[in-house]
Amino acid sequence: DIQMTQSPSSVSASVGDKVTITCRASQDISSWLAWYQQKPGEAPKLLISVASNLQIGVPSRFSGSGSETDFTLTINSLQPEDFARYYCQQGISFPFTFGPGTNVDMK
Amino acid sequence: HVQLQESGPGLVRPSQTLAVTCTVSGGSINTASYYWNWIRQPAGKGLEWMGRMYGSGTINYSPSLKSRLSIEVDTSKNQLSLRLRSVTAADTAMYYCARVDSNLDAFDIWGQGTMVTVSS
Repeated sequence: DIQMTQSPSSVSASVGDKVTITCRASQDISSWLAWYQQKPGEAPKLLISVASNLQIGVPSRFSGSGSETDFTLTINSLQPEDFARYYCQQGISFPFTFGPGTNVDMK
Repeated sequence: HVQLQESGPGLVRPSQTLAVTCTVSGGSINTASYYWNWIRQPAGKGLEWMGRMYGSGTINYSPSLKSRLSIEVDTSKNQLSLRLRSVTAADTAMYYCARVDSNLDAFDIWGQGTMVTVSS
């Protein structure tokens, strides 16, 4: 299985801050990487597919980059509704695997 | 627009079979460009992909669950179902169905999930 790691596991930030989350795959996954946001009591929501493609309706303050094994999710100018848990996921091979998640909470 | 709605038993006894259904509305489950998946999440923990079905019935299972898991589709009811045999407390989780659009290659639509607890 491809192992996905994320760092940091948790970040405390304020509204207006820039937040960067890193995701690393245990082997080359090309650009088959997606990012999800999950709020308490809700299902995950797709933010970014294929490493950098922003989903329709997702604010442009979210962006993704990277390829092969190293990927980044950036949130520019954090908004109150962005406090949540974020997961990366590889889609290149079975079983599809997710990172452990990164909590973005209020400083 | 497409919506997914899971339904399940709530409580299952250890060693029994867990059965969960996902009803697709607003679109057909029998669409070539979509893949239908099961994903679970224990409370306070991460996400685990369990398996998927697509096309005319092609199914892929996670190796860790393959011996206990069955995924089926009922196109007449527009439903996807999951059966997990010989359950233990470790199978207690929120069970989600999720769609993959082959153009995005990511889980773009999720149901709200159904919580299943394994306990005697």
